[in-house]
Amino acid sequence: NAGVTQTPKFRVLKTGQSMTLLCAQDMNHEYMYWYRQDPGMGLRLIHYSVGEGTTAKGEVPDGYNVSRLKKQNFLLGLESAAPSQTSVYFCASSPNSGTGYSTEAFFGQGTRLTVV
Amino acid sequence: AQKITQTQPGMFVQEKEAVTLDCTYDTSDPSYGLFWYKQPSSGEMIFLIYQGSYDQQNATEGRYSLNFQKARKSANLVISASQLGDSAMYFCAMREVFRDDKIIFGKGTRLHILP
Repeated sequence: NAGVTQTPKFRVLKTGQSMTLLCAQDMNHEYMYWYRQDPGMGLRLIHYSVGEGTTAKGEVPDGYNVSRLKKQNFLLGLESAAPSQTSVYFCASSPNSGTGYSTEAFFGQGTRLTVV
Repeated sequence: AQKITQTQPGMFVQEKEAVTLDCTYDTSDPSYGLFWYKQPSSGEMIFLIYQGSYDQQNATEGRYSLNFQKARKSANLVISASQLGDSAMYFCAMREVFRDDKIIFGKGTRLHILP
């Protein structure tokens, strides 16, 4: 059982280049999230989605765009990468908290992105 | 203002001792959930324990328990009988049901277990 899968695992970009990070989940979760993790800053929410076709801004959305065209996929785009976007990116998914089931977020393995 | 505050950037604890990791939160949402995650040096995020705002009893999962004090808005993680494998980064997180259900994390506490 795959759970949450992030692609790629590592990437080095030059300043100004663009790229898309893919997150795929096979648990039929409604909610999906993108976080970035930087030393001393914890995990900060970039964007999130509460269902197919919806997206919303989190704590640090600038410089990123997202799309959720299919329920199982959540894409994070960097249109013009900057060194400040060097980070580890985590995708997560969770069921709706109204389901009555466990509502923790399930995480992908992370993507280490370096912008030079 | 920070929604999740973890005031201990790092802690050193002797093996087999109990350890408490502090977490305070700020919300006006009556319905919320509190989580703790562990991140070992390998980098994956491991869910440990969950407490709902309406839960009357403190959550427990094996050696982990959550000391939930609603009036003080604190949700401390207690690890009993610590082991070397408990050395990791620990994150407290909150989910506010009426604020889009998004999950917000604290900055984390790095726990070192000493042999």
